[in-house]
Amino acid sequence: AQSVTQLGSHVSVSEGALVLLRCNYSSSVPPYLFWYVQYPNQGLQLLLKYTTGATLVKGINGFEAEFKKSETSFHLTKPSAHMSDAAEYFCAVTATYRDDKIIFGKGTRLHILP
Amino acid sequence: DAGVIQSPRHEVTEMGQEVTLRCKPISGHNSLFWYRQTMMRGLELLIYFNNNVPIDDSGMPEDRFSAKMPNASFSTLKIQPSEPRDSAVYFCASSPSGRGTEAFFGQGTRLTVV
Repeated sequence: AQSVTQLGSHVSVSEGALVLLRCNYSSSVPPYLFWYVQYPNQGLQLLLKYTTGATLVKGINGFEAEFKKSETSFHLTKPSAHMSDAAEYFCAVTATYRDDKIIFGKGTRLHILP
Repeated sequence: DAGVIQSPRHEVTEMGQEVTLRCKPISGHNSLFWYRQTMMRGLELLIYFNNNVPIDDSGMPEDRFSAKMPNASFSTLKIQPSEPRDSAVYFCASSPSGRGTEAFFGQGTRLTVV
């Protein structure tokens, strides 16, 4: 079975500072991994995904994430935070060999300080 | 494509009443997911369909919840009878299926049971 743990339900960073949102996964088979963003009163929108190949994945809005198998991690980063990045971020995992249901972490709310 | 369409966007109902949430997935997508989002539990997968067939309903909380997908372009999630603890945002998502494909989310239905 797959599961995702996101460290920190709330993270605050200053505008212009580095954003780091942590995600660790558990999977009995090689995983596919996703980061989604949710703005208030909206559905979830895909930021980026890792399937195979390059372990550093670039997404929309300047975000990127690195798949580290040895650490079972898929942390999300952005070099310089912008006020518009304030939202809730979800890490998700799915299995590669079986059905493609997607399991989400509990989310991390990102606050940007002026 | 208009994306995943959910209706209604908001629903307020009295305890004991039947509630039906509706979803139209993206045309051509083979997988459909129903999720429930609450502050306490985060984003929970309730049920997952593939090619209109329920594959995994282990997340359905109890017999009061039921979901159907009579055809590839329509799904419903029904709660009968509804209870205050069912208050949440319910999301429908669809996916093209296949390994590593992401889910596309609707805007959600905010359900309040009073």
